[in-house]
Amino acid sequence: KQEVTQIPAALSVPEGENLVLNCSFTDSAIYNLQWFRQDPGKGLTSLLLIQSSQREQTSGRLNASLDKSSGRSTLYIAASQPGDSATYLCAVSMTTDSWGKLQFGAGTQVVVTP
Amino acid sequence: EAGVAQSPRYKIIEKRQSVAFWCNPISGHATLYWYQQILGQGPKLLIQFQNNGVVDDSQLPKDRFSAERLKGVDSTLKIQPAKLEDSAVYLCASSFQRGPGGELFFGEGSRLTVL
Repeated sequence: KQEVTQIPAALSVPEGENLVLNCSFTDSAIYNLQWFRQDPGKGLTSLLLIQSSQREQTSGRLNASLDKSSGRSTLYIAASQPGDSATYLCAVSMTTDSWGKLQFGAGTQVVVTP
Repeated sequence: EAGVAQSPRYKIIEKRQSVAFWCNPISGHATLYWYQQILGQGPKLLIQFQNNGVVDDSQLPKDRFSAERLKGVDSTLKIQPAKLEDSAVYLCASSFQRGPGGELFFGEGSRLTVL
């Protein structure tokens, strides 16, 4: 059974610092991995999707890496801003057929202080 | 482009009562998902529809939860009777297609409190 873990559960950094968020999964036979952002009282917004054959994806200040063999992914957010304050969740999909059946971690709650 | 609409946003009920949540996906999206997010946990898929057919309901507690997607557009998720452990946010998501390229778009959720 796939288990997705995110540590730490909460993180506070001053503005301008780089953020490093970790995600680990127990079954390395994933199809893809996604990072989402969730603001309080809001739904989830997809940030980055990494296919199992890829090592990383980048979008603006965000970079996500994937090491399937070790069951780890890392989300880097460069030069953090107060607007980056949110909960970040990672999720894995196991097969093409289970594309939307995402298995989520519990998330890391991030606070960026001005 | 309008997003995924959900209602009601908040609902408080007593245990053993019933409740229903409604979801209107993005126009043209064939695939619809209901996720349950308990406080402090990540979302868990309850049921997935492709048009008006069920693709996966393996994690839906069928003794008390039911869902339908008549006409392949709107969907309703019902809980009857509710238990304390059903307190959660119920997220609806939709995607244009089921499979690669079918990005999921989430609604803002319906928060249920069972007393």
